[in-house]
Amino acid sequence: DGGITQSPKYLFRKEGQNVTLSCEQNLNHDAMYWYRQDPGQGLRLIYYSQIVNDFQKGDIAEGYSVSREKKESFPLTVTSAQKNPTAFYLCASSPGPAGEQYFGPGTRLTVT
Amino acid sequence: ELKVEQNPLFLSMQEGKNYTIYCNYSTTSDRLYWYRQDPGKSLESLFVLLSNGAVKQEGRLMASLDTKARLSTLHITAAVHDLSATYFCAVEGSGAGSYQLTFGKGTKLSVIP
Repeated sequence: DGGITQSPKYLFRKEGQNVTLSCEQNLNHDAMYWYRQDPGQGLRLIYYSQIVNDFQKGDIAEGYSVSREKKESFPLTVTSAQKNPTAFYLCASSPGPAGEQYFGPGTRLTVT
Repeated sequence: ELKVEQNPLFLSMQEGKNYTIYCNYSTTSDRLYWYRQDPGKSLESLFVLLSNGAVKQEGRLMASLDTKARLSTLHITAAVHDLSATYFCAVEGSGAGSYQLTFGKGTKLSVIP
């Protein structure tokens, strides 16, 4: 089955630790995205990548980092510089730079 | 900067009633998407609207796009409990390198018997 997987589903970390969220897709999509969702809010774009080995900052990139070494993988690292990292993180992909985006199941990160 | 505003943000409606959710946006765009999110879950695509005047229907939901007015509507007909969820509209930016989606804050719909 084609789709997007994110792991883990739930993640708990202590303040000051870096943590990496996994996102993998087997849809052969060129573009991938990371969003953050806070309670009662819409999605905000963290980073996106339109092609392997290239990525751009979104609206709230501070405290986050990404890599895109393979077409199917787009991991997100939440660094200790992110002041309020507790949130629901969603990964998405699209066939090209524009158009409908398909979402993974999400990772809920709690930092205490 | 593209801004997307949905209203209402909260909607409690009785089963069998009709209602409309509105999505206004601030700059020119020809592409708009509607998504559904159940509590604790990811986003599920509902409708893709790609031109002025586009209308799509699926079951009790119908979405339309008026690019001149920068307005999309999601109309609910004869609501049932299964439609309870949060609905998001997302607008695609236009121009080279600006194809990103900007999301509204969502409309939380509760359908009560």
